[in-house]
Amino acid sequence: SQTIHQWPATLVQPVGSPLSLECTVEGTSNPNLYWYRQAAGRGLQLLFYSVGIGQISSEVPQNLSASRPQDRQFILSSKKLLLSDSGFYLCAWGQLPSTDTQYFGPGTRLTVL
Amino acid sequence: DAKTTQPTSMDCAEGRAANLPCNHSTISGNEYVYWYRQIHSQGPQYIIHGLKNNETNEMASLIITEDRKSSTLILPHATLRDTAVYYCIVRVAYLGKAAGNKLTFGGGTRVLVKP
Repeated sequence: SQTIHQWPATLVQPVGSPLSLECTVEGTSNPNLYWYRQAAGRGLQLLFYSVGIGQISSEVPQNLSASRPQDRQFILSSKKLLLSDSGFYLCAWGQLPSTDTQYFGPGTRLTVL
Repeated sequence: DAKTTQPTSMDCAEGRAANLPCNHSTISGNEYVYWYRQIHSQGPQYIIHGLKNNETNEMASLIITEDRKSSTLILPHATLRDTAVYYCIVRVAYLGKAAGNKLTFGGGTRVLVKP
């Protein structure tokens, strides 16, 4: 069966510090991968998606970036965090065409102070 | 993708059926209705989806009106663990891997199951 991992589970970082969040998927190959963010009390916002190694599409302009160095690894990064980057970051995968749904990881709660 | 409208919140008694409405009056013929839910501090969980026929799985039933302008998610016997935010999403069916098949989440319905 497929599983998706995210780490760390929680993170507290000062403003201006770098960020690296990692997501890995097991039990599948060539998935679509997604990064979402959920600010406190808000809905989910799609940040990036990737349809293959090295292929990244950005949905909103921001100081975050994403990379996909391996088929089942998706990384979210920032060079300098802002207060507004605080939130709940979720990674998801979708396996096409066998299923048209997305499966989410447990998330990383980021607090920028 | 078509926009959806859901009530902000609703309560449900434990053991009773929970009926969650969703309006999608601008839905196109090739758009599916998807339902996800998000339990507090967890990632969203896929529940069910459908095009025009009613669908049922181990989690819920999805009833889509004949004109497809609205739908209802039914949790047949709500439990306390069903307390969550439920999202109704309308989206074009599979466009091909390169299109990304993105999901757009709205505000959802906050469902509180009470003992």
